[in-house]
Amino acid sequence: QVQLQESGPGLVTPSETLSLTCTVSGGSVSSGSFYWNWIRQPPGKGLEWIGYIYYTGATNYSPSLKSRVTISADSSKNQFSLTLRSVTAADTALYFCARAEVALDYWGQGSLVTVSS
Amino acid sequence: DIQMTQSPSSVSASVGDRVTITCRATQDINTWLAWYQQKPGKAPKLLIYAASILQSGVPSRFSGSGSGTHFTLTISSLQPEDFATYYCQQANNYPFAFGPGTKVDIK
Repeated sequence: QVQLQESGPGLVTPSETLSLTCTVSGGSVSSGSFYWNWIRQPPGKGLEWIGYIYYTGATNYSPSLKSRVTISADSSKNQFSLTLRSVTAADTALYFCARAEVALDYWGQGSLVTVSS
Repeated sequence: DIQMTQSPSSVSASVGDRVTITCRATQDINTWLAWYQQKPGKAPKLLIYAASILQSGVPSRFSGSGSGTHFTLTISSLQPEDFATYYCQQANNYPFAFGPGTKVDIK
């Protein structure tokens, strides 16, 4: 059974960098034709797709966030990570990592990140 | 970018009711559409992918249809555990946009 678990700081200062890690068990981030995604959900709002890293290492990002986002993977730890630079209060959200083949079939439980001084 | 809309934004229904949610894409996405169910404070759960294929373990009262730009999710007989918010998502082109959601609550 594939499991994903997000980890990282729950509080980030405005203008700083948000960093989250997703640890994967029961599957490999470096094989299997899967896309490893980040999605976020501001409090009381809908879902926003942030981007993915493919098992080959190729990435794709939402145009609205592309200038501030990097997604990377560490196959030795079976993890993938999200870096979001120059954060503002608008980046406050529940951040999910998820696996996709043709759809997002396995999700982490989510990590709440608040941007505040 | 492809935009997704859903209607209605909310629906009040009773246990046993048939509920239909509509999702529309601004461009043809063939059948590259998925439906998710989300309960408060929880991660979304995949219900249907490729517009009409039921994810393993999802009850058969859920069904999906459509292609191109018009899609529907139907719950044939609403159960107490089905009260939640439902999202569609297109997977045809980047960015993989979600619809704004449809909240199904108790009448």
